[in-house]
Amino acid sequence: KAGVTQTPRYLIKTRGQQVTLSCSPISGHRSVSWYQQTPGQGLQFLFEYFSETQRNKGNFPGRFSGRQFSNSRSEMNVSTLELGDSALYLCASSLGYGSKNIQYFGAGTRLSVL
Amino acid sequence: AQSVTQLDSQVPVFEEAPVELRCNYSSSVSVYLFWYVQYPNQGLQLLLKYLSGSTLVKGINGFEAEFNKSQTSFHLRKPSVHISDTAEYFCAVSDHAGNNRKLIWGLGTSLAVNP
Repeated sequence: KAGVTQTPRYLIKTRGQQVTLSCSPISGHRSVSWYQQTPGQGLQFLFEYFSETQRNKGNFPGRFSGRQFSNSRSEMNVSTLELGDSALYLCASSLGYGSKNIQYFGAGTRLSVL
Repeated sequence: AQSVTQLDSQVPVFEEAPVELRCNYSSSVSVYLFWYVQYPNQGLQLLLKYLSGSTLVKGINGFEAEFNKSQTSFHLRKPSVHISDTAEYFCAVSDHAGNNRKLIWGLGTSLAVNP
């Protein structure tokens, strides 16, 4: 069974631009979560989608948004990029929604904002 | 509010030596606890989890952890490490509150296994 796939693996953007990251979950998984990982802040939860609905949201500004499609694939969009948005963005999928469901992570998309 | 503290940011150890990576959490409700490992340029992989039941949890690659409710700790141990265990280790907690799952993460412990 294929794992969680994130594309692209690396991105370089400039301040003010916008970016879209993609995540394909493990087949059969209906929940997708997004995290931002930086050396100083560690892993921070962005949001979680289940059955195309956002179920939970972290403390990030409205520039960060996401969506989930009917095939459970998810995209995350960041508008008006800032230097501080440089990070590794991780996507995780799970079978269901809720604390007990184990999350499986992709390798991440490393975003550099210049 | 929940929080997770990984007490050591870096742990150097020699091959075949035992290791303990420490994790403390704070929460006013019952929790689920997890340890994940991240190898260079890869995503996170679940090592083990505590959901309920026995407080001693065994995971993959010979790792185990013990849930201590009175000390609010969930320390990770391995009796004999290998070079291949060199990686970043993350402790995470989520509460039992219905379906509102939001994992809170520690900042990670970098384990360096030296020959």
